[in-house]
Parts: sequence; C-alpha cells; structure tokens
Amino acid sequence: KAGVTQTPRYLIKTRGQQVTLSCSPISGHRSVSWYQQTPGQGLQFLFEYFSETQRNKGNFPGRFSGRQFSNSRSEMNVSTLELGDSALYLCASSRLTGTSNSGNTIYFGEGSWLTVV
Amino acid sequence: AQTVTQSQPEMSVQEAETVTLSCTYDTSESDYYLFWYKQPPSRQMILVIRQEAYKQQNATENRFSVNFQKAAKSFSLKISDSQLGDAAMYFCAYRVIIQGAQKLVFGQGTRLTINP
Repeated sequence: KAGVTQTPRYLIKTRGQQVTLSCSPISGHRSVSWYQQTPGQGLQFLFEYFSETQRNKGNFPGRFSGRQFSNSRSEMNVSTLELGDSALYLCASSRLTGTSNSGNTIYFGEGSWLTVV
Repeated sequence: AQTVTQSQPEMSVQEAETVTLSCTYDTSESDYYLFWYKQPPSRQMILVIRQEAYKQQNATENRFSVNFQKAAKSFSLKISDSQLGDAAMYFCAYRVIIQGAQKLVFGQGTRLTINP
C-alpha cells in the first residue's frame, strides 16, 4: 500500500511568484491536511480538506489556499511568495476526519521543501 | 487552547540503553488521541506510536512504549535498547477536533542523539 506522496520534493522560487504543491493521500483516505514546518515556528497547521471541502484553516494569510479533488488528491497554493514562506510543507492523510474519534491515525508524506529567494 | 510541551530540546543516550522523552499537554476534552512522531534527517514524519485517551493500558510498539498519565496530562515515550537508527527529532502531538474537523497540535520537538 503506497504511502502519502508529495510532489515536487524540492523547489526554488523567487519572491512574488506563486507555487503549487501536490499531495496524493493513502488509498482510501479522505482527509488531507497540510502543515508548515520552519525552524522558528515549528510545525503549524495550515488547513484540512475532507470530501473536497475545506474543514478547518490555520492562522495563515489568504495567500495560502488549497483544494481537494474527487479522488482525494489535494493541492496547496501560495501566491505572492515571501522570503518567510521558505519551509518544509508536509501533507498528512487519514481515513476519517473529526467526526469520529476512533481508529483515525494520521500519516505524513516526505514533504516539499520550498526555498524562496 | 490545546498546547503541547516538550521540555527537553535535546537528549542523548548510549546505544542499547533506555531513554525517556517527556511530553505534557493541556486539554479540557475527555476523549482524544496522542501521537509520537519521529523525524529523521530525511525530514519525513514517521508515526512511532499512538494512544487513545479512553484506553487505560499504555500503548507499546516493539521497543517503543508510552507512559500515559491522563490525570497529570503526561505522555512520555520510552525507547528501550536504543539503536543508532533511532537518532532523530521526536515530536509529541495531540489531535484536536474542532466542529467535526481535525488537526494536530505539535510540541517543539526533542532531538535525540544515540552515542555508539
């Protein structure tokens, strides 16, 4: 069974550009979440998608957006990139979302390294 | 607000010995999940162990076990017979449910070094 797959793994962008990151969850998983990891702020929740609907969003500006497709694959987009957006972006998937509090383990992908110059 | 605190930024242990990583959390909920994740230099977040709050029995996965003290809101990870491959950042995480959605709240991490 394939794990959570993120593409691209590494990318370098220039300030002001935009970037799109992709995440394919584990087969059968319908919840996809995104996290940003930086040395200063640690791991911070960006948003969760379930059944193509954004269910929850973290404290990030509107430049950060995402979507989920009918096959549960998700993309996140960051527009007007800033130097501070340089980070490891981690995608996570689980079978269920917060409607159930049983048997819902969350698995992570390998991450996408974004460097903004 | 739910918070997770890992008070040990760094820990080191001799190979084959036992080490315990500490984690405390703050919540007003009675039913929740706690996780320990390992992040090696590759940076992939790997699930180590999970604990359901309603279960009194401490979770165990091979050399990894937890000491879950619900009243004290403590969730420590014990690694027995430490191996060089255990060297990594370890994150404690609490699963928050908000209006039917979920997210993980992470601690700041503990960097574990294994000395040969």
